[in-house]
Amino acid sequence: KAGVTQTPRYLIKTRGQQVTLSCSPISGHRSVSWYQQTPGQGLQFLFEYFSETQRNKGNFPGRFSGRQFSNSRSEMNVSTLELGDSALYLCASSLRRGPNTGELFFGEGSRLTVL
Amino acid sequence: SQQGEEDPQALSIQEGENATMNCSYKTSINNLQWYRQNSGRGLVHLILIRSNEREKHSGRLRVTLDTSKKSSSLLITASRAADTASYFCATGETSGSRLTFGEGTQLTVNP
Repeated sequence: KAGVTQTPRYLIKTRGQQVTLSCSPISGHRSVSWYQQTPGQGLQFLFEYFSETQRNKGNFPGRFSGRQFSNSRSEMNVSTLELGDSALYLCASSLRRGPNTGELFFGEGSRLTVL
Repeated sequence: SQQGEEDPQALSIQEGENATMNCSYKTSINNLQWYRQNSGRGLVHLILIRSNEREKHSGRLRVTLDTSKKSSSLLITASRAADTASYFCATGETSGSRLTFGEGTQLTVNP
């Protein structure tokens, strides 16, 4: 069974640009979550999608958005990039959602550098 | 914001020794999980312990949970150089799916 696939793995953007990151969950997994990882703030929850609906959102500005498609694939978008958006963006999938979600399966991440 | 605080932030040991990492959290939880991350890579799930459990084992891993103290520990026995990685605890909410991660412990196992 293929794991969680994130594309692109690495990208470099300049301030003010926008970026779209893609995540294909494990086949059959309907819940997709996104996390941002930086040296200063650690791992922070961005949002969670289940059945094409955003179910939960972290404390990030509106420049961060996402969506989920009918095949459970998900994308996240960051507009008007700032230097502080440089981070490893991690996508995770799971079979269920809710307090009994259990383990998350993470992709390798998309490393974004903003210059 | 980070729910968990991990201790120590960094740990360096010799192969064959045991490694113990601690995690504290602040709110009520449904479960607590430990993940491993090799440098710049994705996270790999190691073990999950539910709030009504006190101890769990998986191979060379032993996790304890003390909900009265809001703390957990991860013990890796007979460590190997391949165990070198960052280890994160993550708490699962009582109502949702969000995981809140600790700051992580960087473990270095010297051959």
